[in-house]
Amino acid sequence: GDSVTQMEGPVTLSEEAFLTINCTYTATGYPSLFWYVQYPGEGLQLLLKATKADDKGSNKGFEATYRKETTSFHLEKGSVQVSDSAVYFCALRRPTGGGNKLTFGTGTQLKVEL
Amino acid sequence: DGGITQSPKYLFRKEGQNVTLSCEQNLNHDAMYWYRQDPGQGLRLIYYSQIVNDFQKGDIAEGYSVSREKKESFPLTVTSAQKNPTAFYLCASEKREGLGEQYFGPGTRLTVT
Repeated sequence: GDSVTQMEGPVTLSEEAFLTINCTYTATGYPSLFWYVQYPGEGLQLLLKATKADDKGSNKGFEATYRKETTSFHLEKGSVQVSDSAVYFCALRRPTGGGNKLTFGTGTQLKVEL
Repeated sequence: DGGITQSPKYLFRKEGQNVTLSCEQNLNHDAMYWYRQDPGQGLRLIYYSQIVNDFQKGDIAEGYSVSREKKESFPLTVTSAQKNPTAFYLCASEKREGLGEQYFGPGTRLTVT
């Protein structure tokens, strides 16, 4: 079945450090890929997405590139801020046969310190 | 402002009681979803509905029930048959052809003792 694997957290960084959160997936066909973010005590928000190989999703300084050859969708940001502290979820959706369901990874907590 | 509301934010129940969690959206979205979030396990799909009066089981439907009588509303009932009901419950919605862009409510934390 479909699955998403994320690096374990928490990831602790100093402000202005470079961020990478790894995400790899297993799925049939060519899924769409997503990063969602959850701030403390809140629901999830879509951060960025990519729908085909080599697409780059970007938003609020975050980027991720859909790499079909390595089945990866790693999240990056060049300079993190304290306000980026949150839990980040990688997710996929199969284009057909998946019932429009999202499959989520377990989430990676990011803590940014001054 | 359009959005999804879940109430209450915190809910406490005694073991053996059924409890219903509310989810309402005014985004005019066709599809709605219920997820359960536990520490270290990410989100797991309980039930989903792509249209009024129709819904499907997700990956962990046992011990839960839903209804979809109105487009705007998708309540979730946690029954006494759910063995481990204490969790954070998230409702989401998506427009037709939303391509995976789901909009989430703020969640309800249910504690059963």
